[in-house]
Amino acid sequence: DQQVKQNSPSLSVQEGRISILNCDYTNSMFDYFLWYKKYPAEGPTFLISISSIKDKNEDGRFTVFLNKSAKHLSLHIVPSQPGDSAVYFCAASKSGTYKYIFGTGTRLKVLA
Amino acid sequence: EAGVAQSPRYKIIEKRQSVAFWCNPISGHATLYWYQQILGQGPKLLIQFQNNGVVDDSQLPKDRFSAERLKGVDSTLKIQPAKLEDSAVYLCASSRGGVGEQYFGPGTRLTVT
Repeated sequence: DQQVKQNSPSLSVQEGRISILNCDYTNSMFDYFLWYKKYPAEGPTFLISISSIKDKNEDGRFTVFLNKSAKHLSLHIVPSQPGDSAVYFCAASKSGTYKYIFGTGTRLKVLA
Repeated sequence: EAGVAQSPRYKIIEKRQSVAFWCNPISGHATLYWYQQILGQGPKLLIQFQNNGVVDDSQLPKDRFSAERLKGVDSTLKIQPAKLEDSAVYLCASSRGGVGEQYFGPGTRLTVT
């Protein structure tokens, strides 16, 4: 039972354009969401998070949007840079559990 | 601040052999996690420690996997005996506890032949 889904295994975007990565979840009890970036042969690194009390969180070029009614979140990267090429994972958690369920990841390739 | 340390980085063993992985979390982090990441999938939680107590081990195959976190600091994950389907990257992560990001180590890539 995949509670967190990233339906696009890969995405290619031109440098300077917007990258949009999507994530869907099924458990309405999830109330905290994170995005991680992973380069080859490295562990995932934290990128940005959002609590369910918000619908948007911004950090520099990265913005996460949360649509609770649709159980959907998205990560926008503007402008995309070649160094953003990596695998992106979304993760979800229920308050008090400190336990995260990860999606399957989307491989982003930013073309120079 | 030093990051999460893991060793070894790579390990190749034959099926039915045993293997152990080591993790040293970020100093002061109370919560430690072990994840299994099979190629093409997201990290799957195996076990979660809070200090030296187990919080969640519901997805740990206890017939062959074991983990401990003595003194609430570093941790070891053991597989005995290994199966072909255990081939994966084993990631260790730590956090201060509470809602917030986890910090991951570089992982150990295990290949079982």
